[in-house]
Amino acid sequence: AQSVTQLGSHVSVSEGALVLLRCNYSSSVPPYLFWYVQYPNQGLQLLLKYTTGATLVKGINGFEAEFKKSETSFHLTKPSAHMSDAAEYFCAVTLRRNYGQNFVFGPGTRLSVLP
Amino acid sequence: GAGVSQTPSNKVTEKGKYVELRCDPISGHTALYWYRQSLGQGPEFLIYFQGTGAADDSGLPNDRFFAVRPEGSVSTLKIQRTERGDSAVYLCASSLTSGDTQYFGPGTRLTVL
Repeated sequence: AQSVTQLGSHVSVSEGALVLLRCNYSSSVPPYLFWYVQYPNQGLQLLLKYTTGATLVKGINGFEAEFKKSETSFHLTKPSAHMSDAAEYFCAVTLRRNYGQNFVFGPGTRLSVLP
Repeated sequence: GAGVSQTPSNKVTEKGKYVELRCDPISGHTALYWYRQSLGQGPEFLIYFQGTGAADDSGLPNDRFFAVRPEGSVSTLKIQRTERGDSAVYLCASSLTSGDTQYFGPGTRLTVL
């Protein structure tokens, strides 16, 4: 079965600083990988996803992530943090694209952006 | 356009009671998913519908949990004999079809006293 770990339940950065949120997965076959963001009192919103093709994936709001098979990682980055980026971020993995798409989510990382 | 909506937004009940949680997916989306999110954790898959049928219910924790989607649109998650451990945010998501991007609703916060 697949699983996801996110290093750091809480990450704080200064406004304008680099954002790096870590995600590692375990999977017996090539996975599909996702990052979702959850703002307070709102539903999860897809930031970006990797299925096949280019391993560097660009998403909304200036975020990007790189799939590294050798490291089993899919870390999320943004060059310059904005106050509006403060939220909870979830990495997710799935193996079965066309049947159930049984997502397995990581525990989440809460990002705080300091002025 | 309208996103996924869930009602109620909050539900407080007593241990042993029956509850129903409703999900209205995006119009035209054939796939619908239920997740449960406990405090400090990521969402946990419960069940997935393709059309009217439950294609994967492997995430339902026990037979107190049941979900239906009789007309392939609105879905109801039903919990019998609620327990305090059922307290969580229940999330619904829909996608155009299986394998497409899932769009999540705001969730229903269930508190069992």
